[in-house]
Amino acid sequence: SYEVTQPPSVSVSPGQTASITCSGDKLGDRFASWYQQKPGQSPVLVIYQDSKRPSGIPERISGSNSGNTATLTISGTQAMDEADYYCQAWGSGAAVFGGGTKLTVL
Amino acid sequence: EVQLVESGGGLVQPGGSLRLSCTASGFTFSTYWMSWVRQAPGKGLEWVANIKLDGSEKYYVDSVKGRFTISRDNARNSLYLQMNSLRAEDTAVYYCAREMSPRGAFDIWGQGTMVTVSS
Repeated sequence: SYEVTQPPSVSVSPGQTASITCSGDKLGDRFASWYQQKPGQSPVLVIYQDSKRPSGIPERISGSNSGNTATLTISGTQAMDEADYYCQAWGSGAAVFGGGTKLTVL
Repeated sequence: EVQLVESGGGLVQPGGSLRLSCTASGFTFSTYWMSWVRQAPGKGLEWVANIKLDGSEKYYVDSVKGRFTISRDNARNSLYLQMNSLRAEDTAVYYCAREMSPRGAFDIWGQGTMVTVSS
């Protein structure tokens, strides 16, 4: 079955750029999506189809996907961005999520 | 307002059954594939199952095949998950989620309902 892998944690200073990766075999041949989840809340879609932002998601959140790696980039990181982030793709008939990355804004 | 509201969670003994419901509002439910996604306490997200617009196609993660059944009632704008032969490892918050497009991103999520399997 298809799998995608994320680093467990990423730290960033306020105002700096955070990058969270998601790796999978030929992931670039599939669409990647990204979700933000804060404690006690439901996940929120922040990126779909590799790089598109849903309405209401700030432009400083962006995504890319090529080769074996999809990347979520948050520019000018703010305290409000501290959360768990999950990448997601579709395998053969099943959706797969990465294990999640805890973004800490130090 | 586009919304999904889950219900039906609770405490159940191992081997028992539970039926989750998800009621949709604010959009044309019958025109979207729908999924169930779960999250064990302190763990990540795990996709459980999805269902086509008219219920004619259903897919499941291997760990629930033969035990869980997804269904929908478009007249009632409702999605269901019948869970049988429950195990401790099924303990999780269960979310229903709307697929933007078939096998696309999950753009709308419910608030979740907690299922605890314990004796």
